[in-house]
Amino acid sequence: SQTIHQWPATLVQPVGSPLSLECTVEGTSNPNLYWYRQAAGRGLQLLFYSVGIGQISSEVPQNLSASRPQDRQFILSSKKLLLSDSGFYLCAWSQPRSSYNEQFFGPGTRLTVL
Amino acid sequence: AQSVTQLDSHVSVSEGTPVLLRCNYSSSYSPSLFWYVQHPNKGLQLLLKYTSAATLVKGINGFEAEFKKSETSFHLTKPSAHMSDAAEYFCVVTPSSGGSYIPTFGRGTSLIVHP
Repeated sequence: SQTIHQWPATLVQPVGSPLSLECTVEGTSNPNLYWYRQAAGRGLQLLFYSVGIGQISSEVPQNLSASRPQDRQFILSSKKLLLSDSGFYLCAWSQPRSSYNEQFFGPGTRLTVL
Repeated sequence: AQSVTQLDSHVSVSEGTPVLLRCNYSSSYSPSLFWYVQHPNKGLQLLLKYTSAATLVKGINGFEAEFKKSETSFHLTKPSAHMSDAAEYFCVVTPSSGGSYIPTFGRGTSLIVHP
């Protein structure tokens, strides 16, 4: 069966510090991968998605970046965090070339920027 | 193009009474439709999905939804609410053709269950 992991679960960082959030998927090959952000009391905002190693598409211009160094690893990064980067970050995967594109979500990372 | 509208930002019910969470969609292609549930500080869990088979879809925890093409709706229902149903619910649409794999999420409906 497939599983998705995210770490860390919670993170408190000062403004201007760097960020690295990691997501890994087990039990599948060449998944589509997604990063979402959920601000307090709001819906999900798609940040990045990837259909393969080294292939990253950005949905929203910001000071965040994403990388996919391995098939089942997706990393969200920032060189300098802003207060507005606080939120709940969710990683998700879906089967490639699926007719339904059902997504499976990780447990999330709660980021607080102070 | 596709869009999703969840008609209520909050729904409040008493335990044991029926639940109705409303969702309308638009899609240029035949859609796949999903309902997800999110408990506080947790990831999203799939409740049910419509993928062009039966129009009445049964999901986990007693939830079901009916796909109505003529009304472009996919409302989520449950006959009797339980306290554990209190959570955020998201309606999602994805085109099942056309090559896109980017889902569109509704803004969410917060379900409040009173004892």
